[in-house]
Amino acid sequence: KAGVTQTPRYLIKTRGQQVTLSCSPISGHRSVSWYQQTPGQGLQFLFEYFSETQRNKGNFPGRFSGRQFSNSRSEMNVSTLELGDSALYLCASSLRQTVQETQYFGPGTRLLVL
Amino acid sequence: DAKTTQPTSMDCAEGRAANLPCNHSTISGNEYVYWYRQIHSQGPQYIIHGLKNNETNEMASLIITEDRKSSTLILPHATLRDTAVYYCIVRLGSSNTGKLIFGQGTTLQVKP
Repeated sequence: KAGVTQTPRYLIKTRGQQVTLSCSPISGHRSVSWYQQTPGQGLQFLFEYFSETQRNKGNFPGRFSGRQFSNSRSEMNVSTLELGDSALYLCASSLRQTVQETQYFGPGTRLLVL
Repeated sequence: DAKTTQPTSMDCAEGRAANLPCNHSTISGNEYVYWYRQIHSQGPQYIIHGLKNNETNEMASLIITEDRKSSTLILPHATLRDTAVYYCIVRLGSSNTGKLIFGQGTTLQVKP
């Protein structure tokens, strides 16, 4: 079974631009979560989607948003990019939105904001 | 969710067992212990999880103390490819969320 895929793998943007990242979960998985990883803050939870609905949100500004489609694929968007948004963005999927279900991570999208 | 404490770094000789400790003294009865690892710049990889009993899979063993206040992840025969940051995470069993709260983890360096 194919793993979680994320596109693009690398991205360079300039301040003020916006960016959209895509995540395709493992086939059959309906829950998708997004995380941001930076050297200073480590791995931080962004948001979680299940059945096209955002079920949980981390402590990030409104510039960070996301959505999930009926096929469980998910996108996250960052508007008005800042230098501090440079990070590895990780997507994880699981069958359902419960603690008993293991989350499997994709390879991440590395975003550099200049 | 209960907080975990892990050593910042550890070394292990190639071929020997790597024993990674995790303290979760405030864990409650319905909280699971999960272990993930992250090899440099890759996505975290699931290793193993448990509630009360010791668990073993093809990657590792998880030993949970009887009082559940600590656990140890054991990689039986460490290889150079096991060099990574290892995260111990406690997740609430009754929670309807997949959210993971990562700490700083333990950087394991496997040496030849």
